[in-house]
Amino acid sequence: GAGVSQSPSNKVTEKGKDVELRCDPISGHTALYWYRQSLGQGLEFLIYFQGNSAPDKSGLPSDRFSAERTGGSVSTLTIQRTQQEDSAVYLCASSLYTDTQYFGPGTRLTVL
Amino acid sequence: KNEVEQSPQNLTAQEGEFITINCSYSVGISALHWLQQHPGGGIVSLFMLSSGKKKHGRLIATINIQEKHSSLHITASHPRDSAVYICADASGGSYIPTFGRGTSLIVHP
Repeated sequence: GAGVSQSPSNKVTEKGKDVELRCDPISGHTALYWYRQSLGQGLEFLIYFQGNSAPDKSGLPSDRFSAERTGGSVSTLTIQRTQQEDSAVYLCASSLYTDTQYFGPGTRLTVL
Repeated sequence: KNEVEQSPQNLTAQEGEFITINCSYSVGISALHWLQQHPGGGIVSLFMLSSGKKKHGRLIATINIQEKHSSLHITASHPRDSAVYICADASGGSYIPTFGRGTSLIVHP
């Protein structure tokens, strides 16, 4: 079956522009996570959705970052007024409740 | 605040060697994850465990709750095992993981 997919795979944008990153989780998975991995750095948690519960946004680095999950499926991570320090690989993962997480291939964001 | 420490940071081995990667965490766990990230970035979840030991092929993960320590072992290592291995701990009833910095493994033929 299909795994977690993310789009675009690469995104180059200019400083100050807004970007939207998309994640399609595995069908039926209740949980969806967004992570960020900056060059040479470890994985960093951003936001967590579980079913219809309010998302845990405790990892979002600033109010320029937001995420939605529509219909308990597809999620969009939005970064407003991008900064160069936002350049990173953004990874999405999904799981059935709190079981094993399955990762997408990531979106590499470059802010010029 | 939970802290997750991995060692070693870098590891080089010859094909066939037995490999151990260590992970220590500071807060009681909900679940401990071992992830594998290949060059090119794809991440695969290897194990999720909260007690005891799990085995999958040549990979074995163990955890000692009292010592807040987990190990990932690779038996009969192979060059295709070359990757970054990441430990992640979800603690205190939350399933949001805190990640270690990763261990970069290179296995030479």
